[in-house]
Amino acid sequence: AQSVTQLDSQVPVFEEAPVELRCNYSSSVSVYLFWYVQYPNQGLQLLLKYLSGSTLVKGINGFEAEFNKSQTSFHLRKPSVHISDTAEYFCAVSDPASGGSYIPTFGRGTSLIVHP
Amino acid sequence: DTEVTQTPKHLVMGMTNKKSLKCEQHMGHRAMYWYKQKAKKPPELMFVYSYEKLSINESVPSRFSPECPNSSLLNLHLHALQPEDSALYLCASSQDWLPGLPPLHFGNGTRLTVT
Repeated sequence: AQSVTQLDSQVPVFEEAPVELRCNYSSSVSVYLFWYVQYPNQGLQLLLKYLSGSTLVKGINGFEAEFNKSQTSFHLRKPSVHISDTAEYFCAVSDPASGGSYIPTFGRGTSLIVHP
Repeated sequence: DTEVTQTPKHLVMGMTNKKSLKCEQHMGHRAMYWYKQKAKKPPELMFVYSYEKLSINESVPSRFSPECPNSSLLNLHLHALQPEDSALYLCASSQDWLPGLPPLHFGNGTRLTVT
C-alpha cells in the first residue's frame, strides 16, 4: 500500500516570503498526487493534482507543485505567502494500479503559519 | 462558500442518543463520501456511495449507519456512540467514483461531541 510522509508538522514563515511544504511518497510505478488545504473550522479544498503529463502542476491561490519521480516527492511551493495562507495542508497519494488499494492515503498534514 | 452543505454544524449527543448528520449537494455529482477527522489528524475515509449504492465501507462500526436517499442527499445515522467517536465528520462529493481519485469537493463538516 502507498504511504505518504509530510516531514514538517509545522512551518512558520513571514508574510511575502517564499515557502515550500514537503511531501514524499513510497515508490510506485504509477501514482496520483494531490494537495489539499484546510482553513480553520472548514472542510478540505483541493489546491492541485497530478495525474499524468507535465511534472510542474499549477493550482489555485498561486500554489504550484513539482512531481519528482526519482526522488518520489511532490513538494508544494508558493513564491510569496499571505497571512490568509495560514492553514493546514495535506498531501495525498494513491496508486491506481494497485488493485484494491486505490483508496487515497493522506499525509499527517503540515501547519503553515504566516507571521506579519 | 462550499457547494456541499452539512447540517448541523455542531452536535452534542449522549451515548444513548440517536442522531443523524445530513449532507446535500446540487452539483449533479454521483459519488458521495463520509470522512472522519480527529483533531490535528488527516481525514479518514468511512464510506463511499456511487450512484446511490454503497461502494466502500472501510470497516466502520455498525453504530454508524450511512444512507443515500437520492443522488443529492447523504445521511449518517448515529446510535450508541462512544466518547472516542467525537470528531469532525466531513461529507464530500465528486462527479463520479473513480479508483485512485479522492473527492474534489468537501463540506465544512459537523463537529460532533459525544458525552
